[in-house]
This record gives sequence, structure tokens and C-alpha cells, in this order.
Amino acid sequence: QKEVEQDPGPLSVPEGAIVSLNCTYSNSAFQYFMWYRQYSRKGPELLMYTYSSGNKEDGRFTAQVDKSSKYISLFIRDSQPSDSATYLCAMNKGSTLGRLYFGRGTQLTVWP
Amino acid sequence: NAGVMQNPRHLVRRRGQEARLRCSPMKGHSHVYWYRQLPEEGLKFMVYLQKENIIDESGMPKERFSAEFPKEGPSILRIQQVVRGDSAAYFCASSPDAIGTDTQYFGPGTRLTVL
Repeated sequence: QKEVEQDPGPLSVPEGAIVSLNCTYSNSAFQYFMWYRQYSRKGPELLMYTYSSGNKEDGRFTAQVDKSSKYISLFIRDSQPSDSATYLCAMNKGSTLGRLYFGRGTQLTVWP
Repeated sequence: NAGVMQNPRHLVRRRGQEARLRCSPMKGHSHVYWYRQLPEEGLKFMVYLQKENIIDESGMPKERFSAEFPKEGPSILRIQQVVRGDSAAYFCASSPDAIGTDTQYFGPGTRLTVL
């Protein structure tokens, strides 16, 4: 069993839709949670970074962490074609230093 | 503030040659990480370095791969005697010293093709 599971999609939605992206994990040692966006043939770009359970909002993006269920989510409101990318969840243990464990990534397409 | 820089962006090698990938972290960052991404797969951790020290190399293949982060200059990921299975995108990330205040920022990657 992989430590971080993420449905690879693909996910295709119309412009303006609310997008929900999710990851589950098996190791309760994970303490820090991130979402990265990766455009084709580019490096991952940090979108959201959270530590505790609960919600964190940044513009159209909301990150949600439920440590009791070992489940994290990223919501994108009013999705735009420019949001079309692969979204990677990542997490690490006990410190912001040290290796990140990534999900496989979900490919999202937002069509006009 | 310049981001993480990697070069070359594209590298083509024939089987048996050596590949050297370079990474300059963000200003003020002294922690460097290398990850590999195969087609249709997520990023896999390879190695974590600080200046002149390897902190965690648990993701590095036992043979042919090595990494360094000298006191001066960029971090280097070196792959000796490359094989076709080494073809992948290699990403470097960096993070600052202070624990709990920030996370890892990635460079644009080096795409290695082994012929």
C-alpha cells in the first residue's frame, strides 16, 4: 500500500465549476500538508501549505485537512481554463525539513 | 528573489555516458532535495542535502547515482553509466533553515533522455 493515495483522474469540468481534489494517507506521522500545481513540462508550484486539521483559504483555493480520517482536500472555486494542470498533494513527517511524500497527481482540465 | 535554478533544462546522453545535473537553491536556502518524476507518475524522493552533508539518501539507487552540495557552488546530481531507465525529469527543491516556517520550492527540472 502506498503511503499517499491520489486518484490520477483525468478530471474534466466546465469553467466556473467547483473542483474537489483529494488524497488519503496511511501514516499518522504526517504533520505538514501541501498542494502543488504542475503545468505540463514545468516544475511543481506551491499552492497551499497547511499544518493543522481544519481549513485554509487563499483566494479561490481552500485546503482542508482531516487528520482523524487521514484525508486532505483542495477545493477550487470558480475554476478557470488556466487552472488546467496536474495537482499534486504532498506531505512530510514531524518537520518542514526532510523528504516530501507525494501522491501520484490528478490531471485537471477546465474547458471554456 | 530568484527561484530555484536548474541546468541544463534538457540533457541527452547515450547509454554508458555520465549525466551531471546542477541545482542552485533559492537565496537564503541551505537545504536541497532531489526528486525524480517518471512519465505518468508522481515525484519520488531521491536525496536530501545540506551544505557539505548528505542528510537522507534513502531514495537514491545504490549504484551509479551520487549527489553532493559543496560549500561553494550548486548541488550536483551525478548519474554514471546511464541506462534508458534513467530517462526522467529530475527536480530539485530547496527550503530555508527555519523549521516550521516554510516548505520546499521546486526548480523547473532537468529532462534527461538516454538514447
